[in-house]
Amino acid sequence: DAGVIQSPRHEVTEMGQEVTLRCKPISGHNSLFWYRQTMMRGLELLIYFNNNVPIDDSGMPEDRFSAKMPNASFSTLKIQPSEPRDSAVYFCASSFRGNQPQHFGDGTRLSIL
Amino acid sequence: AQSVSQHNHHVILSEAASLELGCNYSYGGTVNLFWYVQYPGQHLQLLLKYFSGDPLVKGIKGFEAEFIKSKFSFNLRKPSVQWSDTAEYFCAVNVPGGSQGNLIFGKGTKLSVKP
Repeated sequence: DAGVIQSPRHEVTEMGQEVTLRCKPISGHNSLFWYRQTMMRGLELLIYFNNNVPIDDSGMPEDRFSAKMPNASFSTLKIQPSEPRDSAVYFCASSFRGNQPQHFGDGTRLSIL
Repeated sequence: AQSVSQHNHHVILSEAASLELGCNYSYGGTVNLFWYVQYPGQHLQLLLKYFSGDPLVKGIKGFEAEFIKSKFSFNLRKPSVQWSDTAEYFCAVNVPGGSQGNLIFGKGTKLSVKP
């Protein structure tokens, strides 16, 4: 099993640019989660999908953030325009069902200059 | 709303010392409980989980946790830590079958083990 695959592993970009983070969940998992981790705020859930449908996006910081899951094997998290305070590690996780153990990807370390 | 409290922000131990990390949750009904570990620079990995049955749960790498329903606690223990246990540990909870499918994570406890 390849596990949850995220890309890119690292992203450095200038303020104002659009950033797209990608995630491929484990095959057969029907729940997908996006988290943000910072020193100040710890691990925060941004949004989660069940069967490709967004169930709870209350953690999305503001309209600059959007997430999609066009099919069961792919999800994106987009930030447009990006700001320095968006710098963080973004993790994607998937699970067989919403309340089963989640499997995390390696994360994307995002730095906005 | 559910919440998870981890009492210690940072714990420093010497090798071979015993470890206990506290975790309390707020929810009166049935819960699923998890401990995750994040080694430096890595992603979160599941250490152990409790769904039902024996409240003493054994996990990987010699870790165990005890679910005490009356105390709403799920403390993580290890009798003798190693330098390689240096990591951040997260307790998490969710409600089985609930509409909220996500995990509620605690703020994490950093463990530093001195060789």
